[in-house]
Amino acid sequence: EDQVTQSPEALRLQEGESSSLNCSYTVSGLRGLFWYRQDPGKGPEFLFTLYSAGEEKEKERLKATLTKKESFLHITAPKPEDSATYLCAVPVRTDMRFGAGTRLTVKP
Amino acid sequence: ETGVTQSPTHLIKTRGQQVTLRCSSQSGHNTVSWYQQALGQGPQFIFQYYREEENGRGNFPPRFSGLQFPNYSSELNVNALELDDSALYLCASSPGTSGIKGVETQYFGPGTRLLVL
Repeated sequence: EDQVTQSPEALRLQEGESSSLNCSYTVSGLRGLFWYRQDPGKGPEFLFTLYSAGEEKEKERLKATLTKKESFLHITAPKPEDSATYLCAVPVRTDMRFGAGTRLTVKP
Repeated sequence: ETGVTQSPTHLIKTRGQQVTLRCSSQSGHNTVSWYQQALGQGPQFIFQYYREEENGRGNFPPRFSGLQFPNYSSELNVNALELDDSALYLCASSPGTSGIKGVETQYFGPGTRLLVL
């Protein structure tokens, strides 16, 4: 069955403390892996799409990477404004299959 | 801002009632998808509409139904509400065509928070 699993469920960092979030997937015929940021009470906001193993994309303090079985979202020197839930998702037929997300808290 | 709006922002209903949630997409976005997001979970796909026709459906019962209108607005209707229907309901519109293209480039609205008592 097509599944997306994210870890950890929650992550607390000090400002400036770099870390990585994991997204593993079991999807046949991957058509892309998507990362979103979601703030409380809001809809997901698109961050990145990765299409092939070895691909990397960066945006400010975030860098997303993709292998054949998982993706990582690396956060370098995070700031409190990076606190949010980070979701990964893969398209399956007409569905965007989401993981449960990693809730990131960055303390000043 | 994504240009996708939803109404109402919050709603409280009682078990057994019916509810209609509304979404207004960007002009030119022919595809709209609806998702249910329970607390602490990722969004779950309910269904997708393309040019006013249902184009795909997730694992939701028939009491979840939808409509899409020519003016880029859409509705999600839920009959016989159950307590487990309490969630954030998200719509997402896309300029892409139906199917995979309809979800690859989608923009989410802020959601409607539904509480069923």
